Amino acid sequence: SQKIEQNSEALNIQEGKTATLTCNYTNYSPAYLQWYRQDPGRGPVFLLLIRENEKEKRKERLKVTFDTTLKQSLFHITASQPADSATYLCALDINYGQNFVFGPGTRLSVLP
Amino acid sequence: DAGVIQSPRHEVTEMGQEVTLRCKPISGHNSLFWYRQTMMRGLELLIYFNNNVPIDDSGMPEDRFSAKMPNASFSTLKIQPSEPRDSAVYFCASSVLAASGELFFGEGSRLTVL
Repeated sequence: SQKIEQNSEALNIQEGKTATLTCNYTNYSPAYLQWYRQDPGRGPVFLLLIRENEKEKRKERLKVTFDTTLKQSLFHITASQPADSATYLCALDINYGQNFVFGPGTRLSVLP
Repeated sequence: DAGVIQSPRHEVTEMGQEVTLRCKPISGHNSLFWYRQTMMRGLELLIYFNNNVPIDDSGMPEDRFSAKMPNASFSTLKIQPSEPRDSAVYFCASSVLAASGELFFGEGSRLTVL
């Protein structure tokens, strides 16, 4: 069956450390993978996109990797800050912008 | 641009009542998505429109759910009759149809069916 998993429901890290979130999927072949941030009571906000032929993408303190062999994406936040505390969702684009399947999310808490 | 606008933000209703949720996508976006989010099931795609035409409604749970997009700037999601298990946050999102199109979400409509 098709499934998307994110490493843990919740992740606590100390301010200044690097947070690493994992997205694993089975029985999908996404052309693109996206990461979103969701704050309580708000809609998800797009952060980064990575294509299947890209290994790594960076944006400021964010870095995403995509391994289509392992069927896994890693999302890193370097020099984490309490303001980075939120739920992070990975989303697979399984039909070229016409169908996005979301993972369950990881709730990140950055402790001061 | 004001972003994707959804209304109402909160709705409390009784079982059996009709519920209508509304969405105004970002101007110029030609794709519109309705998602439902619950703790148990996360974000689930209900229906997707492209150029106002429903393309995929396989996520609509039952005939009690219907969605329309009469023009490029307005969409509705209707539940009739509503049931307690429909309680969730309903999100509308829009995008420019493209292979790498990011989704722009509204703030959601939190529905509680008593």
